[in-house]
Amino acid sequence: GAVVSQHPSRVICKSGTSVKIECRSLDFQATTMFWYRQFPKQSLMLMATSNEGSKATYEQGVEKDKFLINHASLTLSTLTVTSAHPEDSSFYICSARGPRETLYGYTFGSGTRLTVV
Amino acid sequence: GESVGLHLPTLSVQEGDNSIINCAYSNSASDYFIWYKQESGKGPQFIIDIRSNMDKRQGQRVTVLLNKTVKHLSLQIAATQPGDSAVYFCAERGSNYKLTFGKGTLLTVNP
Repeated sequence: GAVVSQHPSRVICKSGTSVKIECRSLDFQATTMFWYRQFPKQSLMLMATSNEGSKATYEQGVEKDKFLINHASLTLSTLTVTSAHPEDSSFYICSARGPRETLYGYTFGSGTRLTVV
Repeated sequence: GESVGLHLPTLSVQEGDNSIINCAYSNSASDYFIWYKQESGKGPQFIIDIRSNMDKRQGQRVTVLLNKTVKHLSLQIAATQPGDSAVYFCAERGSNYKLTFGKGTLLTVNP
């Protein structure tokens, strides 16, 4: 079945530094990838949508200069949290959608727990 | 940012009982709905989906019911097991294939 690999699973960084999170579709080509953020005991909130070879589309209230998204290939999208601050600490999850709808049209990564100290 | 005082709805059942988890969705134009299970520290796991032209779909031990009139979705889990304990989210697909997630329900199965 479709698998999405997300790395790292956990990262701790100092305030002011940048962190890159990778999301790879292992056995299918992902025309679209989605990035979500989830705070404790809350739901997943969509941050942005990225299509291969084009600029990401950000949801209202998400700073595009702070959360840099690159989708350079059909199997890899990256989210870089720039100049991270403690309030950016959260669980970040990617999701990949293939070119055709399948039973598992949306495949999720295992998430990245970011802690900014 | 995080909302102070926000908490997940909870459902506590005995092992072997049936569970019903409910979800209200917001967009009458949504054409596809998915139920996900999320265990602590993990990404969402697909359970079952349903298209808007259906009102019921069954899987293994799970059934999803869709009532478009009142924009309501439910997930029924038969013979609930301790391994079913998790947070369950409904999601609706809107424009540009974006998924919007419901607020989730914490299911606890007591042995």
